Amino acid sequence: EDQVTQSPEALRLQEGESSSLNCSYTVSGLRGLFWYRQDPGKGPEFLFTLYSAGEEKEKERLKATLTKKESFLHITAPKPEDSATYLCAVRVFNTDKLIFGTGTRLQVFP
Amino acid sequence: EPEVTQTPSHQVTQMGQEVILRCVPISNHLYFYWYRQILGQKVEFLVSFYNNEISEKSEIFDDQFSVERPDGSNFTLKIRSTKLEDSAMYFCASSVRTSGGDRQYFGPGTRLTVT
Repeated sequence: EDQVTQSPEALRLQEGESSSLNCSYTVSGLRGLFWYRQDPGKGPEFLFTLYSAGEEKEKERLKATLTKKESFLHITAPKPEDSATYLCAVRVFNTDKLIFGTGTRLQVFP
Repeated sequence: EPEVTQTPSHQVTQMGQEVILRCVPISNHLYFYWYRQILGQKVEFLVSFYNNEISEKSEIFDDQFSVERPDGSNFTLKIRSTKLEDSAMYFCASSVRTSGGDRQYFGPGTRLTVT
């Protein structure tokens, strides 16, 4: 069965304190791995898509990386506005759906 | 940037009633999806729709659920006889698949409360 596991469930950081979020996946054939940000009561907001091991993508303070078993979302010098739940999802070959993990709830304090 | 829109933002209904959730996908997108998220749980796939028919559905999407694209812009999810356990956020998404990727754009969601 295709599965996505995210850790930690929650993370509290001081402003400027860099860290990483983990997404481990077990799938039959990876079509793509997606990172989304979700604010309370809102829909997921797209951040990155990664397709093959070794690929990296960056956007402002965020950098996503991918290996054959997991992906990391690195947050460098976070700010309070980075506080949100970060969702990881995978799409496998021959399906349309995204399979989501439970997310990491990030809180950044000034 | 174009957005997926959903109405209503919040729907309260009594158990056993029918509800229709509405979505306007991004105009040049061809693939449409419904997901739901029960409070505190992960986002779950319900159904995908392409070329005026269901292309894939999950075990959750039973005979109580149906989808329709009644015109060129709207995409709807109908729940025929709501149950307490249908209370959740329902997200519509759309995508256009190109060689550059197949990102799904999500709407803001409809919070469905069944009492």
